[in-house]
Amino acid sequence: DTEVTQTPKHLVMGMTNKKSLKCEQHMGHRAMYWYKQKAKKPPELMFVYSYEKLSINESVPSRFSPECPNSSLLNLHLHALQPEDSALYLCASSQVGSQKLFFGSGTQLSVL
Amino acid sequence: GENVEQHPSTLSVQEGDSAVIKCTYSDSASNYFPWYKQELGKRPQLIIDIRSNVGEKKDQRIAVTLNKTAKHFSLHITETQPEDSAVYFCAASRWNSGYALNFGKGTSLLVTP
Repeated sequence: DTEVTQTPKHLVMGMTNKKSLKCEQHMGHRAMYWYKQKAKKPPELMFVYSYEKLSINESVPSRFSPECPNSSLLNLHLHALQPEDSALYLCASSQVGSQKLFFGSGTQLSVL
Repeated sequence: GENVEQHPSTLSVQEGDSAVIKCTYSDSASNYFPWYKQELGKRPQLIIDIRSNVGEKKDQRIAVTLNKTAKHFSLHITETQPEDSAVYFCAASRWNSGYALNFGKGTSLLVTP
């Protein structure tokens, strides 16, 4: 299996909702990432997990809460989001030390 | 932190012509330079990458060149086809950055038949 799978593909939520994005890979990668991508812009790094521990948090607001329950799964918990948080959320994984990232197809999030 | 500049922002070529996209980086410690292709509504897909100990790498119609002294690298696509139309992102990464990629702003390539 050489894919990074993200669910759901699309998500619409209100500003008071709580939702979670999920990411799964079975390539044995021990580094996993969350990126945010606005339309016609490059992906922006949010979080990096290495060996299931958070290693980088790019000053992301606390309404985004990442979780890495095991080496195959990465979650992003969302709470009290703002309309400007609407974007494509991309998960990626890599071997630790590889620098070669494999991206999932993303979750297109709309906050109303 | 690392700053990656990418030019041009848009590029239109005729089918069969070559396309060249250029990037410069600021951090001399960067050692890994991938290129991603992203079609509308799809994931960024790694198409080619190069490490700082190599000057050039080729894969069929795609090639990347790296000039470490000038801190710039380029993507070359020959014999372009309409299916090459997409947004292309360059990126740079240093080995001790937590493997985080710093992306350029992207180039929207349009190949017209």
